[in-house]
Amino acid sequence: QVTLRESGPALVKPTQTLTLTCTFSGFSLSTSGMCVSWIRQPPGKALEWLALIDWDDDKYYSTSLKTRLTISKDTSKNQVVLTMTNMDPVDTATYYCARLRSNSGTFDYWGQGTLVTVSS
Amino acid sequence: AIQLTQSPSSLSASVGDRVTITCRASQGISSALAWYQQKPGKAPKLLIYDASSLESGVPSRFSGSGSGTDFTLTISSLQPEDFATYYCQQFNSYPPMYTFGQGTKLEIK
Repeated sequence: QVTLRESGPALVKPTQTLTLTCTFSGFSLSTSGMCVSWIRQPPGKALEWLALIDWDDDKYYSTSLKTRLTISKDTSKNQVVLTMTNMDPVDTATYYCARLRSNSGTFDYWGQGTLVTVSS
Repeated sequence: AIQLTQSPSSLSASVGDRVTITCRASQGISSALAWYQQKPGKAPKLLIYDASSLESGVPSRFSGSGSGTDFTLTISSLQPEDFATYYCQQFNSYPPMYTFGQGTKLEIK
């Protein structure tokens, strides 16, 4: 059974760095073809893809946010970490991690999401 | 970057109705499109992948079609549990890039 769960602070101040952790089970990120992504959703708005890391430790980022994002993985802990620098109130959103189906472009399993509010 | 435009943005329908949601890509994407359902406070759920393939466990009243730039999600007979927001999503193989539509909110009439 595949599960993903996001964890991190619920509140960050403007200019701070956000660190979120995705802990997953039911698959291994060392298996060829496996990838995990981060996706966010501001309140009442659409989904926005942020970053992806694959089994080979290749990393890909949203063009508009790439200067602020870093994604990494700890295969032994079954975790993927996203950091986002210089947080702003417009970054207030629910942040999801999701598994990308092997050799596919679709997200087949999602975490429940974690709401991050940026406010002083 | 490829843009996805969904129409309509919102839709009111009744139980038993047939409903169609459209997603248009700003350039051709072959069949690289998925559809998700999202209910309030919940994560999106994959319904359709590769434009027309039904995800395992998803009721057969959901179907997808299209290729190139124009895609549709059809619900053949609306059930009470289908009232939700629906998103299309496209993917670029390399470099990996993923884009979502702005969503279509399906409400009870």
